[in-house]
Amino acid sequence: DAGVTQSPTHLIKTRGQQVTLRCSPKSGHDTVSWYQQALGQGPQFIFQYYEEEERQRGNFPDRFSGHQFPNYSSELNVNALLLGDSALYLCASSWTGLNTEAFFGQGTRLTVV
Amino acid sequence: LAKTTQPISMDSYEGQEVNITCSHNNIATNDYITWYQQFPSQGPRFIIQGYKTKVTNEVASLFIPADRKSSTLSLPRVSLSDTAVYYCLVGKAGNTGKLIFGQGTTLQVKP
Repeated sequence: DAGVTQSPTHLIKTRGQQVTLRCSPKSGHDTVSWYQQALGQGPQFIFQYYEEEERQRGNFPDRFSGHQFPNYSSELNVNALLLGDSALYLCASSWTGLNTEAFFGQGTRLTVV
Repeated sequence: LAKTTQPISMDSYEGQEVNITCSHNNIATNDYITWYQQFPSQGPRFIIQGYKTKVTNEVASLFIPADRKSSTLSLPRVSLSDTAVYYCLVGKAGNTGKLIFGQGTTLQVKP
């Protein structure tokens, strides 16, 4: 079991550009959540996808969007990048059943210059 | 969702027991307490979850008093590899959606 895998591991983009980050959930998981973690801070919830639809959303602008595919993998898209979008982006997968824990990937380090 | 308060940082030495306390005064009746561990440049990892009294697994123990307004994560005989950030979260069991992380407690274990 490969666990949660994210790609790429590191990325450098220029202000105003767009970026796509990818996540493959742990085998057997059907729900994917995305988090942004700035340096020295705890992860902040962006949104969650289940059955290919956004189920919950945190306090992030519409520049942040996502998608979930039939195989449960997911993408996070960020448009019009700002310097403040530089962070570690974490993907977490889980199963919708009760009493389950979220498994996190190692993250994608995004640097906006 | 209940807010949590933890110490920003703690220091310890190898072989000692470490206790990290979390305050959650507004915890709801159906909320559980969950602790995560995070190493640099890695995602958080689930450590332990509990509702009341004491929970123990192979990694840690979680002590929750009767009023549930606080909880203590206990790490027995820490090693250098336990140096990490520890997060206390409060929410419904199985609520793996909007996890609310605070700043966490940075534990530094010294030789």
